[in-house]
Amino acid sequence: SQKIEQNSEALNIQEGKTATLTCNYTNYSPAYLQWYRQDPGRGPVFLLLIRENEKEKRKERLKVTFDTTLKQSLFHITASQPADSATYLCACSGAGSYQLTFGKGTKLSVIP
Amino acid sequence: GAVVSQHPSRVICKSGTSVKIECRSLDFQATTMFWYRQFPKQSLMLMATSNEGSKATYEQGVEKDKFLINHASLTLSTLTVTSAHPEDSSFYICSAFSGDGRHYEQYFGPGTRLTVT
Repeated sequence: SQKIEQNSEALNIQEGKTATLTCNYTNYSPAYLQWYRQDPGRGPVFLLLIRENEKEKRKERLKVTFDTTLKQSLFHITASQPADSATYLCACSGAGSYQLTFGKGTKLSVIP
Repeated sequence: GAVVSQHPSRVICKSGTSVKIECRSLDFQATTMFWYRQFPKQSLMLMATSNEGSKATYEQGVEKDKFLINHASLTLSTLTVTSAHPEDSSFYICSAFSGDGRHYEQYFGPGTRLTVT
């Protein structure tokens, strides 16, 4: 069955450093890969979407890569700030399907 | 981004009663809405897909007679948990999707924390 794995349950980094979060998928060839931010007790907030034919996408301090050979996406936050502390969710969908399959998320803590 | 509201944000009910949760897309028309459930430290699990004007499609293992979904308009979907039991206590989140063929992201509501006593 399809599996979306975010290897790190938690990640602590120092303010100002670049945070890198990993998302791996197995038994799956997603057409779209999305990243969401979720704060405690809140719904997820959409951040970035990358298509299978795209290698990299950027938005302000955020960067997402999509490697279909490694079956992996990396999510980077540069110049991290304490306000970036949250859980980040990776989600995939297939071609012609709008349904998302989510990973468990990585809880990022940016330490001042 | 688009705004999706959910009501109520928190609800406590007694075992055996029913609870209705509303999900509204405030600034766009959502042809499709999704209902998810999330347990502590777990991933969002899709429960059902709701299309305006048609019956919802439920994921395997989700009882359609227990979780009633109505998508009466392009801006409103409701989830009714019938005969709730303590094991139904969870965080329920809806999302709205434009279905315009160009945008594939979903916009989520703030969630509803259901506690069944």
